[in-house]
Amino acid sequence: AAGVIQSPRHLIKEKRETATLKCYPIPRHDTVYWYQQGPGQDPQFLISFYEKMQSDKGSIPDRFSAQQFSDYHSELNMSSLELGDSALYFCASSLKRDEQFFGPGTRLTVL
Amino acid sequence: AQSVTQPDIHITVSEGASLELRCNYSYGATPYLFWYVQSPGQGLQLLLKYFSGDTLVQGIKGFEAEFKRSQSSFNLRKPSVHWSDAAEYFCAVGARGATNKLIFGTGTLLAVQP
Repeated sequence: AAGVIQSPRHLIKEKRETATLKCYPIPRHDTVYWYQQGPGQDPQFLISFYEKMQSDKGSIPDRFSAQQFSDYHSELNMSSLELGDSALYFCASSLKRDEQFFGPGTRLTVL
Repeated sequence: AQSVTQPDIHITVSEGASLELRCNYSYGATPYLFWYVQSPGQGLQLLLKYFSGDTLVQGIKGFEAEFKRSQSSFNLRKPSVHWSDAAEYFCAVGARGATNKLIFGTGTLLAVQP
């Protein structure tokens, strides 16, 4: 069965650079969620989209923005990167805001 | 406030022994409860979930969990642990609807000794 696809899987950036993480949900899923998991931490909810509209917002820094496109894929844009942004970023998708299926994550390292 | 507590940060069990990982939650509405497992550097795999109905839920890999509303708990159990079960386990709570973000506990790291 098709799963959630995230790209890239690994990303290395310098401080103050920008990064774009992509998420391709399971086909026919209409809801996308983004979570951030710092080293040794539990995943923290960042933001979610339902039918291309933002549906909920968590502890997402103002330097980050996200959107869901017409084909339901989503992108998380991160600017002015800081060392503390180094984390594993998970995308999850669901149908009609039901059970969430997680992708493998993108590991972002900020040097 | 909504929260999930996993009191045990690190647990070590012997292979073949039984396992119970504790999870307590605080949630205003009727919660949906989940257990996820994460191997080092890997994604989150759903072990089992509770939405409603039978309070004893069976999951994958021989795991089960019991929802106890009176104790606000959703403990994960396995009768006989295998070395491949060594991983980090996260309990999570959520709700269906507009605000169905998952709130995770801090995780329990399971080590399995031969």
